[in-house]
Amino acid sequence: DIVMTQSPDSLAVSLGERATINCKSSQSILYSSNDKNYLAWYQQKPGQPPKLLIYWASTRESGVPDRFSGSGSGTDFTLTISSLQAEDVAVYYCQQYYTSPPFTFGPGTKVDIK
Amino acid sequence: EVHLLESGGGLVQPGGSLRLSCAASGFTFSTYAMSWVRQAPGKGLEWVSGIRDTVGDTYYADSVKGRFTISRDNSKSTLYLQMNSLRVEDTAIYYCAKGVRYSSLVYWYFDLWGRGTLVTVST
Repeated sequence: DIVMTQSPDSLAVSLGERATINCKSSQSILYSSNDKNYLAWYQQKPGQPPKLLIYWASTRESGVPDRFSGSGSGTDFTLTISSLQAEDVAVYYCQQYYTSPPFTFGPGTKVDIK
Repeated sequence: EVHLLESGGGLVQPGGSLRLSCAASGFTFSTYAMSWVRQAPGKGLEWVSGIRDTVGDTYYADSVKGRFTISRDNSKSTLYLQMNSLRVEDTAIYYCAKGVRYSSLVYWYFDLWGRGTLVTVST
């Protein structure tokens, strides 16, 4: 099974500042036949279900603000919030969906306001 | 409006059974793979099980294999999870989640989630 790790476990950022979350997979999730990274990012606010933010490692879901961006390839990925807003306080999860199941999630990174 | 609504959660004793349902609306349910994802209290997300669209191929996490059965009724736009031999560690919110499809290809990231149903396994 592919194991996903995230760092840091939590971070506190001032409003308007940049937040950066890292995600690492135990093996490459870059599929050579289509040159796509099979990685998604989700945001979960307290008491709510997860919400899809990013897929294919860097494609924003419709309606997601452009302050959210994803990058990386192979085994190392990053979610960046360019200018943190109060409504961005949440836990963020990465998930790999490379080939066969299980489709594993990272342990999550909690983002708070400093 | 697209929507997923889970039901069937509750309190059950260890060794007991429950059947969860997820009613879908606002999209052509039969053409999408679906999954169950759970979240133990205060913990992260765990993919539990998935089922392909019309073919119906099923997949399970090792933690539930042999105890849980996923199924779907496309005529009712409903997804199910039959949970048997429940354990204390199965206590969680169970979310129904919709996969993504491009042409004939299925991808297992989730663009629509229900609000979840709480399963508590306890004496």
